[in-house]
Amino acid sequence: QQQVKQSPQSLIVQKGGISIINCAYENTAFDYFPWYQQFPGKGPALLIAIRPDVSEKKEGRFTISFNKSAKQFSLHIMDSQPGDSATYFCAASFMAGTASKLTFGTGTRLQVTL
Amino acid sequence: NAGVMQNPRHLVRRRGQEARLRCSPMKGHSHVYWYRQLPEEGLKFMVYLQKENIIDESGMPKERFSAEFPKEGPSILRIQQVVRGDSAAYFCASSPTDEQFFGPGTRLTVL
Repeated sequence: QQQVKQSPQSLIVQKGGISIINCAYENTAFDYFPWYQQFPGKGPALLIAIRPDVSEKKEGRFTISFNKSAKQFSLHIMDSQPGDSATYFCAASFMAGTASKLTFGTGTRLQVTL
Repeated sequence: NAGVMQNPRHLVRRRGQEARLRCSPMKGHSHVYWYRQLPEEGLKFMVYLQKENIIDESGMPKERFSAEFPKEGPSILRIQQVVRGDSAAYFCASSPTDEQFFGPGTRLTVL
C-alpha cells in the first residue's frame, strides 16, 4: 500500500531527445507527488511537484503528467541535455499542504549522450 | 538563505562505535526528516521531527538508532554500536509544509 514503483531503472537518451520516466502508486490517499534530481555525491534537489487536482504541470523543460484513475504519474524532460544526466526519483506523500514523510521510488539513472 | 546543512559530510567509524549526524534545517523550517540511502537504492524514510517532538518514527530501526531535535541547536541522528550494514548516506530534509529540501548528506562508512 505504501509502495511507489518507478521505471525504467536506467535510460539513455540522445541530446535533444525526450526523456520519460514513469511511476505508479498503490495508495489512493497519496496526494502530493514530487520529483527529485540527484547528482553523484549530492543530496536530492526538488525539481517539480504536482497535486492530483491537475493532470499536468510544466516548468521549463520539465513536465509532470498525472493520471489519477490509473494511479500513475510521469516526468518528461524535453530537449534533454548532457547536464540533465543524473538520477531521478519520484516520490509521494499524504496530506498535501502539510508536513508528511515521502515514499520514494527506486530511481532512474538518466544518461544524455551527445 | 542558507540551505539545509549537514555535518560531517563523511564519517568513518569502526564496528561498535557511535555515530552522531547533525542537521540544521533551513531558516524558518520547523519540520525535519531523516532518510537513509543505501548504495544504488532509493531513499528510505526514517524519522520525522519537530522541535522537541518526534512526530513519526515508523522507519527507524527499533534498536541502536535514535533522533532528537532540541529546542536549540541542530537535529541529531545517533547510531549506537554501529555495524557494517549501517554504512549508507544519511540525508536530512527540512520543510515549511509539504515541500522538502534536502541537505548534502552524511556518508557513513563502518569499517
